[in-house]
Amino acid sequence: EAGVVQSPRYKIIEKKQPVAFWCNPISGHNTLYWYLQNLGQGPELLIRYENEEAVDDSQLPKDRFSAERLKGVDSTLKIQPAELGDSAVYLCASSASRRETQYFGPGTRLLVL
Amino acid sequence: AQKVTQAQTEISVVEKEDVTLDCVYETRDTTYYLFWYKQPPSGELVFLIRRNSFDEQNEISGRYSWNFQKSTSSFNFTITASQVVDSAVYFCALVLYNQGGKLIFGQGTELSVKP
Repeated sequence: EAGVVQSPRYKIIEKKQPVAFWCNPISGHNTLYWYLQNLGQGPELLIRYENEEAVDDSQLPKDRFSAERLKGVDSTLKIQPAELGDSAVYLCASSASRRETQYFGPGTRLLVL
Repeated sequence: AQKVTQAQTEISVVEKEDVTLDCVYETRDTTYYLFWYKQPPSGELVFLIRRNSFDEQNEISGRYSWNFQKSTSSFNFTITASQVVDSAVYFCALVLYNQGGKLIFGQGTELSVKP
């Protein structure tokens, strides 16, 4: 069974530029999560989807971050415009349901110059 | 508030040594789950174990074992006869499913196993 797929794996951009990350969850997993991991820290939740619905986006900085999961499968996380402090790893995870174990993708490592 | 503390930032051992990674958690909820994940240099978080708050039985899986003690709010992880491939950052995490289900991670412990 294929795991969580994320792309790109690495992205380098200049500040003020837009950037987007893509995630394809494990087949059949209804719940999808985006986490932010700063260097030397544990991941922190940005947003959680139940199918197409964003049910927990309280930690998402909505002035510059947006996310979508239009057909309840894959998801895109966008930053516009990017700031230097956005340099981090963006992790996507999925679970069969909200109460099941979360499985993570390899992450996208973002560097903003 | 919920919190997970991994006091050991870095641990270095020589291959074949046993090593224990500490995890202490805080929550007032009686229903919760605890996890351990491994993050190798490739970056992906690999699931190792999930434990619910009502099951204090210790678990062993090959060279890995976990000790869950509610009395001390600890969920420690022991690797027996460590190998170089065990080198990674290990994260302990807590989840309260009746509060949304987000994982609350500790800061992680970087384990380096030298040959």
